[in-house]
Amino acid sequence: AQTVTQSQPEMSVQEAETVTLSCTYDTSESDYYLFWYKQPPSRQMILVIRQEAYKQQNATENRFSVNFQKAAKSFSLKISDSQLGDAAMYFCAYRRGGGATNKLIFGTGTLLAVQP
Amino acid sequence: DGGITQSPKYLFRKEGQNVTLSCEQNLNHDAMYWYRQDPGQGLRLIYYSQIVNDFQKGDIAEGYSVSREKKESFPLTVTSAQKNPTAFYLCASSITRDRDEAFFGQGTRLTVV
Repeated sequence: AQTVTQSQPEMSVQEAETVTLSCTYDTSESDYYLFWYKQPPSRQMILVIRQEAYKQQNATENRFSVNFQKAAKSFSLKISDSQLGDAAMYFCAYRRGGGATNKLIFGTGTLLAVQP
Repeated sequence: DGGITQSPKYLFRKEGQNVTLSCEQNLNHDAMYWYRQDPGQGLRLIYYSQIVNDFQKGDIAEGYSVSREKKESFPLTVTSAQKNPTAFYLCASSITRDRDEAFFGQGTRLTVV
């Protein structure tokens, strides 16, 4: 069974600094997708960034980027120039490819605090 | 506006009662999901459906039931068999293409009183 592990329950960063959130996963599949979701205090889940496993290039969305290490099964999220609005719970998620099932498997989350 | 609507936002249940959480989407998505969120445990999948009139159990289906009679609707019933139902419940939907993300509703907070 696939699993997703986030080993940092809480992180803190100063405003305008950079922070990296860790995620590792376990799968025997070669076709899969990885996601980072943000859950602010409103509890609305928002997609931050996605990565296709077949792509070697790391995904980037504005201040958010990932370091995807397929062999190590690692998928970390880097937030640059942190802003107060980045404070939230961040979840790493995995989805198996191939169309057999589309369910997302989530990690336990990392609570990010941004200090002014 | 397109989106997913969950209702109610807060729900209180007495011991031994069944309650139903509503989830409606107007995104024309085929797949719908129910997740349970507890502190320190992330989101755990209860049930999911990839097509009308079909659904599968997730990792923690015991004590829950669902139906998928319409593409737009995927209600979740929390039965009296669910021993610890107090939690935050999130409904999501997605197109069935692998790379597409799931879109989430705003959740229902269920409390047993």
